[in-house]
Amino acid sequence: AQSVTQPDIHITVSEGASLELRCNYSYGATPYLFWYVQSPGQGLQLLLKYFSGDTLVQGIKGFEAEFKRSQSSFNLRKPSVHWSDAAEYFCAVGSGGGSQGNLIFGKGTKLSVKP
Amino acid sequence: NAGVMQNPRHLVRRRGQEARLRCSPMKGHSHVYWYRQLPEEGLKFMVYLQKENIIDESGMPKERFSAEFPKEGPSILRIQQVVRGDSAAYFCASSPLGQVNTEAFFGQGTRLTVV
Repeated sequence: AQSVTQPDIHITVSEGASLELRCNYSYGATPYLFWYVQSPGQGLQLLLKYFSGDTLVQGIKGFEAEFKRSQSSFNLRKPSVHWSDAAEYFCAVGSGGGSQGNLIFGKGTKLSVKP
Repeated sequence: NAGVMQNPRHLVRRRGQEARLRCSPMKGHSHVYWYRQLPEEGLKFMVYLQKENIIDESGMPKERFSAEFPKEGPSILRIQQVVRGDSAAYFCASSPLGQVNTEAFFGQGTRLTVV
C-alpha cells in the first residue's frame, strides 16, 4: 500500500542553523512528491514539488528537496532557518499524471525555531 | 485571482445536527478534493469531484457523509447527525481541468467542533 513516513514528529533548531526534514515513501510506480507547509490555523501552502527530471528541486522561501529513488526518500532542506519558518511541514505523494489532488500525506513534522 | 475559498472557517455543531461545509474552487478549476485532518494527524483524502460527478469517494465514511459539486455554485461536504469524532479540520483543494502534472491548491479549511 502507498504510504508516506515522516519519522520526526517535532524538531527544534536554532535560528540560522541548517534544517533537514525527512520523508520516506512507499509507492509502486514513479511517485509525484510534494512538500507543504501549514502555519497554525491556516491552510497548506506548497513549498515544492517533484514530477520528473532533476532530482534536486528548488522551492519557495529558500527550501530545496532531493529525490533519492534508491532510498525512497524526498528530504526537505534549508541552509539557514528563520524564525518565520516555525510551522508544520507535510510530505505527500501523488499518483502519476493528471491532476495532483488525490494525495497521501505523512503525519507531519512540527518545526520550532529557537532564537 | 482569488484562491480556494472555504466557509465557514469555524463551525460549531451539537451532536446530532447537520454540518454543511462549502468550498469554492479557484477560478478555472473544475476538480475539487476534500480532506480531513484530525488533531495531531496528517490530511486524509476523502473525496474527489468534478462538476456534477463524484470521481473517487474511496476515503469517505460509508454513513452520514456526502459530497456534491453542482454545475453552479460551490462544492458542499455534508455531515449528517454529527458525532464528537467528526471534530476536525476539513480542507478543500482544487486543480484545473486538462493540465497534466499540476498541483492542487488548498483552502484555509473549516474547523468543525462538535459539542
